[in-house]
Order: sequence, then structure tokens, then C-alpha cells
Amino acid sequence: DTAVSQTPKYLVTQMGNDKSIKCEQNLGHDTMYWYKQDSKKFLKIMFSYNNKELIINETVPNRFSPKSPDKAHLNLHINSLELGDSAVYFCASSPTTSGATLFGPGTRLTVL
Amino acid sequence: GENVEQHPSTLSVQEGDSAVIKCTYSDSASNYFPWYKQELGKRPQLIIDIRSNVGEKKDQRIAVTLNKTAKHFSLHITETQPEDSAVYFCAASIGDYKLSFGAGTTVTVRA
Repeated sequence: DTAVSQTPKYLVTQMGNDKSIKCEQNLGHDTMYWYKQDSKKFLKIMFSYNNKELIINETVPNRFSPKSPDKAHLNLHINSLELGDSAVYFCASSPTTSGATLFGPGTRLTVL
Repeated sequence: GENVEQHPSTLSVQEGDSAVIKCTYSDSASNYFPWYKQELGKRPQLIIDIRSNVGEKKDQRIAVTLNKTAKHFSLHITETQPEDSAVYFCAASIGDYKLSFGAGTTVTVRA
């Protein structure tokens, strides 16, 4: 299946821990994103990479560090997790020319 | 940055009736306007999009209109069905890299 996939689907962890979320797309898209959806369902962009290069960093705390080893993968590492980090994190991708952003299935992060 | 406002926040319609969701945007340079549907526990799915050089676009029961002068765009769903129940998000972007989303509209279709 051609798609955006991410793992894990659920992540439950204690405050202060470090965790990572992985994302892969096999659509051949050049641009990948991380979005955060909070408890009120609001969707906000966190980062965007184009061909492995960071192009958008939206005032996200530096505890969040994205890494793009190649243009098909974009991972998100979070240090020193806080209660307020609890949310659903969506990876997404789009081709450079059309702008149709497609989302992965989401990772529900719960920080206890 | 771009600010997108979306109304109403909730919408309840009788099956078969039409539903209309309206969004306004702040940056006149925005040129791409997609709409997403998100069912409970699922990912946002792109249902229709429009670019600033087009005033209206239709896909079966869904249509989107854009008024660049007034900086607003709308989603119209006709002949609503129970499976149309979901949260709908509008978004706007300058170029294709950074979508700014509205706060979402929860649509409930009553059978």
C-alpha cells in the first residue's frame, strides 16, 4: 500500500522520559511534516523537511528534535517529556508541486 | 503568520439536508485551501482542495467556493448521509509547505 506510516500507534510514558516516533512514506514525496493535535482537536504544524532539509520549525521547544535520514523518513525524538506533551502526533507528506498533504495514522502520546 | 477562523464549531443536520462550513483567512498571499475530514480516532483525510486561481470546485456531493477579495472559503455538503458525520477542518497555505488549520467543525448527521 502506498501510504504514510508511523510507529508506534500508542505511547504511554512517565514524565521526564525520552521517546521517539518514526515515520515513513513510500509516496515519493519530497516534503514531510510533523503536526500536533491537542485535546481540543487543534492541528498545528511543528516541523517541515524538504529533501532532508529543515524548512519550518514552528517555535517548538528544543526538547523536540526531528531527524530526516532520507527523504522517505522523518523521525521525532522528544526529551524530558512533560504532561503538556500529551497529544496525537501526525506525520504527513506532500509532493513539492501539488500541495496535497497526506497524513499518517497518528501516534497518541500520553505522559503520566 | 496565517490565521484561519472556522465556523460553526458544531453543526447538526438532518439526513438529506445540506451542510455549510465557512472559513476566513488573514494573509492575502495564501493560495491553497484544502479541506480535511477526520473521523473519530482516525487521521485527517483530504476531501477536496482549491487554489486561488479557481473560484469553485465540485466533487460529487462536496463543493468548495473561494472568495479571494473577502478572504473566505466555504465547504458545502449536499444530501448529507450518516457517514458524513465527522470533524471537518479547513486550512490555508502560502505555497504548499505549511498548512494553517481552522479549529474544526463537528458535523453530526441525524438519521
